[in-house]
Amino acid sequence: ETGVTQTPRHLVMGMTNKKSLKCEQHLGHNAMYWYKQSAKKPLELMFVYSLEERVENNSVPSRFSPECPNSSHLFLHLHTLQPEDSALYLCASSQVLGPPGSYNEQFFGPGTRLTVL
Amino acid sequence: RKEVEQDPGPFNVPEGATVAFNCTYSNSASQSFFWYRQDCRKEPKLLMSVYSSGNEDGRFTAQLNRASQYISLLIRDSKLSDSATYLCVVNPSQNTDKLIFGTGTRLQVFP
Repeated sequence: ETGVTQTPRHLVMGMTNKKSLKCEQHLGHNAMYWYKQSAKKPLELMFVYSLEERVENNSVPSRFSPECPNSSHLFLHLHTLQPEDSALYLCASSQVLGPPGSYNEQFFGPGTRLTVL
Repeated sequence: RKEVEQDPGPFNVPEGATVAFNCTYSNSASQSFFWYRQDCRKEPKLLMSVYSSGNEDGRFTAQLNRASQYISLLIRDSKLSDSATYLCVVNPSQNTDKLIFGTGTRLQVFP
């Protein structure tokens, strides 16, 4: 059992639907991340929130909209998705602003497997 | 050139074998390096960090060659439970927690 939970674990949606993915971390971390993992591709970083501010947005289409209401929760709002958006969406958290040179391990949630029809 | 490149495998090895994975990275200014393990249909988990001097954790040894920009992972005495995908991960900057992942190398250990 990890300290990062994600719901739902599986989601099937049509191209006109609106849905949201939820992530919650119980580790006291101050940074959260959304990644996309497609078959035969590396994990792609989508968004980074550090201290509840968005610090990274990797040219993600506007049909993906993140929200970070507090340091423990992260949402990914989805609307008018395309079939090519079908993938595993992983949330991660870490503790940033550690000592210089320290590594802040990212802990991943189990992911939401999304299928867009 | 991909930022982090790995042989996707699969590597099929018998129990007890020694297997090595290599990974190359393109950004010479990269600061930190890691190996993550991802089991089928599960999330990635940190296996070990990779230090300049090389480091060992039980049956696992990681090495870094900054001059050639490659990282290696050696697994000795392979177990069935080692079957997974091994992700090479690079942090390109000391000032960010942005991680760059390779596509992973799949290992299958058979009896």
